[in-house]
Amino acid sequence: QQQVKQSPQSLIVQKGGISIINCAYENTAFDYFPWYQQFPGKGPALLIAIRPDVSEKKEGRFTISFNKSAKQFSLHIMDSQPGDSATYFCAALIGNAGNMLTFGGGTRLMVKP
Amino acid sequence: DTAVSQTPKYLVTQMGNDKSIKCEQNLGHDTMYWYKQDSKKFLKIMFSYNNKELIINETVPNRFSPKSPDKAHLNLHINSLELGDSAVYFCASSQDDRVYYGYTFGSGTRLTVV
Repeated sequence: QQQVKQSPQSLIVQKGGISIINCAYENTAFDYFPWYQQFPGKGPALLIAIRPDVSEKKEGRFTISFNKSAKQFSLHIMDSQPGDSATYFCAALIGNAGNMLTFGGGTRLMVKP
Repeated sequence: DTAVSQTPKYLVTQMGNDKSIKCEQNLGHDTMYWYKQDSKKFLKIMFSYNNKELIINETVPNRFSPKSPDKAHLNLHINSLELGDSAVYFCASSQDDRVYYGYTFGSGTRLTVV
């Protein structure tokens, strides 16, 4: 059973456009929602994260929007660049229960020049 | 300095063999993890381990066993390798009282079973 569902599986965006990746979760005990970025041949790296007490968090061109009532959160990449081409994973964690991150299925983003 | 390092980076071996993957972290973190990434890029937790507790994902075959000689190391031993074990294995670590600061992952070990 996949506790965190991510869509789309792949995404192609033109340079300068907005990339949007969506995730939904079931377990309301999750209290930490990070996004990871993975380049080929590398491990996932933390990009940005949010706690459920806020509805939005912005760091540079990356923004997380969080909707607690809908149990959904999304990553927006503004002014997408070819260097953003990577696989993006949403994840969720219960901070006091083994601390094991549960990942979504991943989105392969390609930003065309 | 590499924060979480894994060796080897690539491992090709025959079915039935036993192999180990090593992981070391120099971050002083309390907890270490092993994740399996399949061909579709799906990341699945296998183990979580600190000096107090080993948490095993119930779906992991008992051919897989983590071995931790000390707090900075968590090795993954696999017995009787099968074709389906082919995947990329990632080690990660986190600080128990700073888990909201995220995990740090190694660069992965690509295991190919032939």
